[in-house]
Amino acid sequence: QSALTQPRSVSGSPGQSVTISCTGTSSDVGGYNYVSWYQQHPGKAPKLMIYDVSKRPSGVPDRFSGSKSGNTASLTISGLQAEDEADYYCCSYAGSYTSYVVFGGGTKLTVL
Amino acid sequence: QVQLVQSGAEVKKPGSSVKVSCKASGGTFSSYTISWVRQAPGQGLEWMGRIIPILGIANYAQKFQGRVTITADKSTSTAYMELSSLRSEDTAVYYCAREIYDSSGARFDPWGQGTLVTVSS
Repeated sequence: QSALTQPRSVSGSPGQSVTISCTGTSSDVGGYNYVSWYQQHPGKAPKLMIYDVSKRPSGVPDRFSGSKSGNTASLTISGLQAEDEADYYCCSYAGSYTSYVVFGGGTKLTVL
Repeated sequence: QVQLVQSGAEVKKPGSSVKVSCKASGGTFSSYTISWVRQAPGQGLEWMGRIIPILGIANYAQKFQGRVTITADKSTSTAYMELSSLRSEDTAVYYCAREIYDSSGARFDPWGQGTLVTVSS
């Protein structure tokens, strides 16, 4: 049950787009369409941003989108805003019958 | 709207145990699954395990097998996470989260506010 691999940091200017990758294996990301993404501001609890690879909960701006290809999932944030600066974590079910959960190591997004 | 409220910060000695609570309001507690996720200082999120209160069944991440016990009290809509044989590396913020896994999809939402557990001699 190894952590999913994310870049440690990404950055972009306001209005630009950034993409955060999340690489796993055929036993987790590649095996299930159950990838979710969480935003975490310092000192706060994580907040759900994307689930089931590309679904957006109500209240999450459509600037946030998700996708998956093979064993790699991606979160794209378009039209970057200052408040998007945060840590982002991907998450996938894993194991037989999706019995386990694994998170990525997290990516720090800096809005320049 | 579901809300999860966790117990307060704890300071524990190495070798002792800690029990963190997570009280739910809104919705039907017995139909939830509650997962526990921890975050060491400056580190990422780590899933520890879950409980399905309606079934009374828990399963745990391999790393914590034998050291963690997750339970639920349906009468008070409260889930608990007990971690034993504490060591300094267990210093972390512990979160509970409702785990949704049904025809509407799979996700953790909402999350509790977190409970800081500090292990220090």
